[in-house]
Amino acid sequence: NAGVMQNPRHLVRRRGQEARLRCSPMKGHSHVYWYRQLPEEGLKFMVYLQKENIIDESGMPKERFSAEFPKEGPSILRIQQVVRGDSAAYFCASSPPGQGAKNIQYFGAGTRLSVL
Amino acid sequence: QKEVEQNSGPLSVPEGAIASLNCTYSDRGSQSFFWYRQYSGKSPELIMFIYSNGDKEDGRFTAQLNKASQYVSLLIRDSQPSDSATYLCAVNSGGSNYKLTFGKGTLLTVNP
Repeated sequence: NAGVMQNPRHLVRRRGQEARLRCSPMKGHSHVYWYRQLPEEGLKFMVYLQKENIIDESGMPKERFSAEFPKEGPSILRIQQVVRGDSAAYFCASSPPGQGAKNIQYFGAGTRLSVL
Repeated sequence: QKEVEQNSGPLSVPEGAIASLNCTYSDRGSQSFFWYRQYSGKSPELIMFIYSNGDKEDGRFTAQLNKASQYVSLLIRDSQPSDSATYLCAVNSGGSNYKLTFGKGTLLTVNP
């Protein structure tokens, strides 16, 4: 049973370009979460999605960032017009439905975005 | 701002000793508490989950939760060099069961 799959593992973009980060949840998991880890900082919640629905995007910057989890295919975190401050590790996590308060999230290996 | 605080370390212990990692949190509404281990450049890996006050043991790991003091700890017995990693404390926050707030982590080094 494959874990949470993220790709690419490393992504280099120049300022102003777009970055697309992909996440396929574990089999049987319908809940996806994105977190950002800046250097020397803890992981910060960005967004929580279920299939075709954004449940909570309170941690996502209002501009340039968007996320989706379509009916078919992986979840996508999209960053438009990247700036150097976007350089970070972006982790995706997933969990199965119906866990209530005991909602355990399993993390992927992350995408390390470097903006030149 | 709901926060989770951890000593950044580094915490250094000899092989075979007990490593004690501590975490405090500010959100009294938090119900679920997690310890993740993260090796450098790798993903967070769940080590322990605790939901009720008291102790929970799993192999060499024991998590301790005191909701009144808003304190959660992780003990690692018989520490091994392979335990050397950053340990992340995470707490569900904001009244939700999905939004995890993480501490910055404690770097543990186990010396052979």
